[in-house]
Amino acid sequence: AQSVTQLGSHVSVSEGALVLLRCNYSSSVPPYLFWYVQYPNQGLQLLLKYTTGATLVKGINGFEAEFKKSETSFHLTKPSAHMSDAAEYFCAVSLTNTGNQFYFGTGTSLTVIP
Amino acid sequence: GAGVSQSPSNKVTEKGKDVELRCDPISGHTALYWYRQRLGQGLEFLIYFQGNSAPDKSGLPSDRFSAERTGESVSTLTIQRTQQEDSAVYLCASSYTGGPQPQHFGDGTRLSIL
Repeated sequence: AQSVTQLGSHVSVSEGALVLLRCNYSSSVPPYLFWYVQYPNQGLQLLLKYTTGATLVKGINGFEAEFKKSETSFHLTKPSAHMSDAAEYFCAVSLTNTGNQFYFGTGTSLTVIP
Repeated sequence: GAGVSQSPSNKVTEKGKDVELRCDPISGHTALYWYRQRLGQGLEFLIYFQGNSAPDKSGLPSDRFSAERTGESVSTLTIQRTQQEDSAVYLCASSYTGGPQPQHFGDGTRLSIL
């Protein structure tokens, strides 16, 4: 079975502090991994993706994520939080042997405290 | 337009009525997905189209839900005899192929059943 788990439905950080949003997946085949961000009343926007190659992936807005196969994790980080980073973040996995369906985590709401 | 377009952006209807939600994907995108997002929750997969065919309808919650796609373009999600539990945001996404390509999301249709 495939699944995506996001630890912490709500995360609060101070402006300028490190952002760490956790994502773990389960998959019997090598996964493709994604992080999306959703601002209020909008659809989801791709932040970054891991397909093959370098396991440290850099995305937009200063975010990056590292694929760790041994830990089945794909945590999202940003060194210094901005007020504008406040949003809902979703981790997703797509399987290389089907490609038909994305499995989304339940999301993590990020609050940035001034 | 350059992005995925959904209409209407908001729909309020009475319980028992039928509703149609429309999605215009990005031109050239062969894969199209429908998701449901209940308040404060993650994305629930509904259906996936590759071209005009729907190889995966596993997420449709009941036989009141149906979807079609024509001309490898516009898709319509129809909900018959709406119930209050159908209230949610319905998101559409498209991608170049059904493989693990990033999905591009519309802003969604917010459906409220009175």
